[in-house]
Amino acid sequence: NAGVTQTPKFRVLKTGQSMTLLCAQDMNHEYMYWYRQDPGMGLRLIHYSVGEGTTAKGEVPDGYNVSRLKKQNFLLGLESAAPSQTSVYFCASSYADGQAVFISNQPQHFGDGTRLSIL
Amino acid sequence: GDSVTQMEGPVTLSEEAFLTINCTYTATGYPSLFWYVQYPGEGLQLLLKATKADDKGSNKGFEATYRKETTSFHLEKGSVQVSDSAVYFCALNTDKLIFGTGTRLQVFP
Repeated sequence: NAGVTQTPKFRVLKTGQSMTLLCAQDMNHEYMYWYRQDPGMGLRLIHYSVGEGTTAKGEVPDGYNVSRLKKQNFLLGLESAAPSQTSVYFCASSYADGQAVFISNQPQHFGDGTRLSIL
Repeated sequence: GDSVTQMEGPVTLSEEAFLTINCTYTATGYPSLFWYVQYPGEGLQLLLKATKADDKGSNKGFEATYRKETTSFHLEKGSVQVSDSAVYFCALNTDKLIFGTGTRLQVFP
């Protein structure tokens, strides 16, 4: 029972390079999320998706793009990496709560994170 | 705006000691409240939740009561174990999930 799987677990990039982080969930969850975790700042929402083919901006979306072409996958892209994007990135997923809210009230299930360093 | 404030850590305890991690919140409306736990090298896991005032969430010996009058959701455990060492995050959910900065708990034998 894999749950939420993030790929890769670690990556070092040079400033200006691009890359894509992959998140896959096998729980048939409707909602998926990307967060970044920085020391002393908790988790901050980058982008989220309430269903296949739909995405929306979170609290800190600048410099990132996302896509949800399949229900089970949620991709996070860095177009031109900057040192300020050095962080640990977490993907999460949850069921919809049936109340037509943008962010589910259901518990979120997290992956183990991707540690990204930008030099 | 909505926010969550947690006590700064680390909290250092001996095994079997009593644990309290304070959490207070500011929110419009009636948020749901959560405690998540992050073990080393892992993602966050839901520990417990409460969806309305006076609800008590509990799991694995941990408890927290949703106190609307004091806007608090303090986490407690009567007897901690070494295996409880982790970072604990308080969070609230109104139109999005807002996390506190986390409190590291270290339990020594």
